[in-house]
Amino acid sequence: GNSVTQMEGPVTLSEEAFLTINCTYTATGYPSLFWYVQYPGEGLQLLLKATKADDKGSNKGFEATYRKETTSFHLEKGSVQVSDSAVYFCALFKAAGNKLTFGGGTRVLVKP
Amino acid sequence: GAGVSQSPSNKVTEKGKDVELRCDPISGHTALYWYRQSLGQGLEFLIYFQGNSAPDKSGLPSDRFSAERTGGSVSTLTIQRTQQEDSAVYLCASSYGVGEGEETQYFGPGTRLLVL
Repeated sequence: GNSVTQMEGPVTLSEEAFLTINCTYTATGYPSLFWYVQYPGEGLQLLLKATKADDKGSNKGFEATYRKETTSFHLEKGSVQVSDSAVYFCALFKAAGNKLTFGGGTRVLVKP
Repeated sequence: GAGVSQSPSNKVTEKGKDVELRCDPISGHTALYWYRQSLGQGLEFLIYFQGNSAPDKSGLPSDRFSAERTGGSVSTLTIQRTQQEDSAVYLCASSYGVGEGEETQYFGPGTRLLVL
């Protein structure tokens, strides 16, 4: 079946540091890939997505590139802020599966 | 426009009672999903509705759980005879469809259920 693996947290960084959260997936064919973010006390928000190989999703300074050859969708941000402290979820979707398959989530804490 | 709304935002109940959770999807979205977020299990798929098709109930953990979607819009998730292990945040999401470009799911704020 489909699965998503992402690095375990927590990840603790200083403001303006570079952030990478690794995400790899297992799926047949070409799933769509997503990053969702959950800020403290809030619901899941779509951060970015990519629907085919080599696509790059970007939003709010975050980027992720769909790498079919390594089945990865790593999230990066060049300079994090305290407001980026949240839990980040990598997910894949295949229409035949009728659902999003999520990774376990990575908690990121950015300190001033 | 308005996003996905869910009610109640919090629900405390006693073990053995029934609860109903409501989801109002984004207008025009044909697909509706329920997920559960708990500490030990992460984010789990529960059930999926698409238009007038039969729902995909493959994620429901037991027959105490059921859901319906009336008129292709509002959905209700019902948990009968609640157990303490049902305590979790129940998330609803909707999408325009399931085809390429339509599949992005937008989530509601969730209902936090606590079973005492």
